[in-house]
Amino acid sequence: EPEVTQTPSHQVTQMGQEVILRCVPISNHLYFYWYRQILGQKVEFLVSFYNNEISEKSEIFDDQFSVERPDGSNFTLKIRSTKLEDSAMYFCASGQEKNNSPLHFGNGTRLTVT
Amino acid sequence: GDSVTQMEGPVTLSEEAFLTINCTYTATGYPSLFWYVQYPGEGLQLLLKATKADDKGSNKGFEATYRKETTSFHLEKGSVQVSDSAVYFCALSDYGGSQGNLIFGKGTKLSVKP
Repeated sequence: EPEVTQTPSHQVTQMGQEVILRCVPISNHLYFYWYRQILGQKVEFLVSFYNNEISEKSEIFDDQFSVERPDGSNFTLKIRSTKLEDSAMYFCASGQEKNNSPLHFGNGTRLTVT
Repeated sequence: GDSVTQMEGPVTLSEEAFLTINCTYTATGYPSLFWYVQYPGEGLQLLLKATKADDKGSNKGFEATYRKETTSFHLEKGSVQVSDSAVYFCALSDYGGSQGNLIFGKGTKLSVKP
């Protein structure tokens, strides 16, 4: 069964550094998402992406964050200047339709900012 | 705003025990409700869903009924197995909004002992 893949599984970076988290969604999906989960807290929506542009974003998704679909397969989340509080598990997800199809999640990237 | 509250874990049960994980929600509209499961080392997977009041979602022996009067969507299973050990997330999505903009609970870790 096709699946969403995320790399790396664990990323350690120093505060102030830029990081790029990578995701390969399922190939025939059109809707792409990033979520994050800070340890011990809820899974939180960050951003949704459709037709090469952001369709929705949360308050968390400030100017430090950006997303891109640089080619036909990858979907990336960039954090420009990481802060300690960005340490979390980041999940990528994709869906075939906007409302009626389930989301398929990747295994997540654990980001640790030191 | 909309929110999901689920019972704190961890929950430890013996094999074949009855499972209930409580979930209540707050929403202004008519949300769809979901249970996602995360097995160790894997991403979130949709377990079951219900899109309107009194609907019952079911999958793999798990059930949850959408109760509008009590704003609840409790997850139940009559006889758990060791392989059910995972983290379970209750989530909602506003009807008519993007299904990808899920609001999650904190997750409940279930450990089933043989």
